[in-house]
Amino acid sequence: ETGVTQSPTHLIKTRGQQVTLRCSSQSGHNTVSWYQQALGQGPQFIFQYYREEENGRGNFPPRFSGLQFPNYSSELNVNALELDDSALYLCAYIRAATYEQYFGPGTRLTVT
Amino acid sequence: GESVGLHLPTLSVQEGDNSIINCAYSNSASDYFIWYKQESGKGPQFIIDIRSNMDKRQGQRVTVLLNKTVKHLSLQIAATQPGDSAVYFCAEILVKWAGANNLFFGTGTRLTVIP
Repeated sequence: ETGVTQSPTHLIKTRGQQVTLRCSSQSGHNTVSWYQQALGQGPQFIFQYYREEENGRGNFPPRFSGLQFPNYSSELNVNALELDDSALYLCAYIRAATYEQYFGPGTRLTVT
Repeated sequence: GESVGLHLPTLSVQEGDNSIINCAYSNSASDYFIWYKQESGKGPQFIIDIRSNMDKRQGQRVTVLLNKTVKHLSLQIAATQPGDSAVYFCAEILVKWAGANNLFFGTGTRLTVIP
């Protein structure tokens, strides 16, 4: 087990709605990345947070936004949901001074 | 549980045989490569990594080979077990001194071990 938890496990939303996904770690690592994994694909980098600031972003539109809190837990928010947003959303905490990322089990989002 | 990767390349091996999973990476400047294992319903799990200045690294029952000339990475699993059945991803990192060191994942290969 990686000690990374995500909630909820599964979520069903309709097109146009907004969603918030959550991620936390027991490890105390201060850097967290979010990934989108469509069915049959590898995870795609959305963005990373380091000490509550966005530290890099992949090729995702501004309706994908995030937060990191003082306890290093994090949220991913998606506005104006589209059908193509249906995917497994993964968060990963990064061990300092290495490139090892510890992934949570993911949140399966279905947009209908 | 979750079904990850319905249309991935597949590899079927007999229990006890060795498995070789291949990956072509895209960026010749990448500094670091990692293999992940993803079981149904779970996030990717770190297996082994290798730096770009190495060509081979061994772990417990696993070996990673890196050929920078042709931008090819392979994962060898010795004495494959049923618990090795999963989707395997290679990922590359271009190290940045500022900003995110994000992973770029390959497509993945589904390994099925036949008892």
